[in-house]
Amino acid sequence: GQQVKQSSPSLTVQEGGISILNCDYENDMFDYFAWYKKYPDNSPTLLISVRSNVDKREDGRLTVFLNKSGKHFSLHITASQPEDTAVYLCAADYNQGKLIFGQGTKLSIKP
Amino acid sequence: DPKIIQKPKYLVAVTGSEKILICEQYLGHNAMYWYRQSAKKPLEFMFSYSYQKLMDNQTASSRFQPQSSKKNHLDLQITALKPDDSATYFCASSRGQFSNERLFFGHGTKLSVL
Repeated sequence: GQQVKQSSPSLTVQEGGISILNCDYENDMFDYFAWYKKYPDNSPTLLISVRSNVDKREDGRLTVFLNKSGKHFSLHITASQPEDTAVYLCAADYNQGKLIFGQGTKLSIKP
Repeated sequence: DPKIIQKPKYLVAVTGSEKILICEQYLGHNAMYWYRQSAKKPLEFMFSYSYQKLMDNQTASSRFQPQSSKKNHLDLQITALKPDDSATYFCASSRGQFSNERLFFGHGTKLSVL
């Protein structure tokens, strides 16, 4: 089965609003959680990551929330802008150097 | 300038043929990887190399063979190509092979097998 799941294939948010992207995982051993951004025909780029010993990490407009008991992590993007339109990939790892990715959520920011 | 170079960007092959996907990284990293993304599927781990040694192989088929001639090279040879091999193949690298090491990706080689 798929170890990392993004249940929403797409999300549309009004410009200036908060975009919330969700990811669920199955493996209790995961200790590293990341969000990547991908434009069409381009490479995935790391946005933000957290280790399992923290519940939250902020970086500018980005915040990652980790809920270990619920096996869930999310990415919040505040003041969403048209340039945030992209596919967002969540990923997790357990010190294996082998990231397991979700299917991706296509985020569209409407002006 | 891209720091991870993948060649070619697009590749069309016939069923049964053999192709080599090229990857070079200029980040001074010690670990390199191949990932694959097929249509409607997540980005999927294939191989990891650390200091030119194979560390992990999640590819069931021996038709996929990584080749590391230099520390900053990790090519991928694919033999007896099948239409199901059609995908975008991403090379990646990191400073070391640990989960807290940032993974950098190349732009990918989009392979179409007819």
